[in-house]
Amino acid sequence: DAKTTQPPSMDCAEGRAANLPCNHSTISGNEYVYWYRQIHSQGPQYIIHGLKNNETNEMASLIITEDRKSSTLILPHATLRDTAVYYCIVRAGGLKTSGSRLTFGEGTQLTVNP
Amino acid sequence: ETGVTQTPRHLVMGMTNKKSLKCEQHLGHNAMYWYKQSAKKPLELMFVYNFKEQTENNSVPSRFSPECPNSSHLFLHLHTLQPEDSALYLCASSQADSTGVYGYTFGSGTRLTVV
Repeated sequence: DAKTTQPPSMDCAEGRAANLPCNHSTISGNEYVYWYRQIHSQGPQYIIHGLKNNETNEMASLIITEDRKSSTLILPHATLRDTAVYYCIVRAGGLKTSGSRLTFGEGTQLTVNP
Repeated sequence: ETGVTQTPRHLVMGMTNKKSLKCEQHLGHNAMYWYKQSAKKPLELMFVYNFKEQTENNSVPSRFSPECPNSSHLFLHLHTLQPEDSALYLCASSQADSTGVYGYTFGSGTRLTVV
């Protein structure tokens, strides 16, 4: 699975949009971009995923560049409860590719300030 | 509640004890996982089970022994652990299909302290 690079930490003011970047320059055609977050000492929580097109759900939006080498997770109106470590993970689809593993890196510690 | 339940939430055990961690999912998923998260480190994948068959063991010491009796239950049996095994142990499940694996669901974890 392709490697990802994220900034170690970011700050955001409550009520403002939080834009979390992720670089995945070695991504290949069948690899999806997944975002998870982990609030302190809890299990990671799925946020969103995408392949090529931008995606939006009730939690966030995912913007993937046309060359797919980077993406941005957008939390449109950050709240204090969004303070967490955010993980960008690239993973190929299908059972035949490295089993079903999901490999976590260091992620970005997002701190939402009042 | 995420649909993946782990018990106990906290466990303190001596180095000579034997204990087991339990994970249960009622999401109809066919793959289950154990991850370990030590302090200030990324999550490390330990074991993967697809359709009750162990498909991955990431060089985990034999003092950790997984068991998957059915697709809804996963255990991690612990014996003669070391203090450095103290960590948050997370269970996850997913539905693995031919188009990719969407939305892993994690439990809340077991905080293990080895004394």
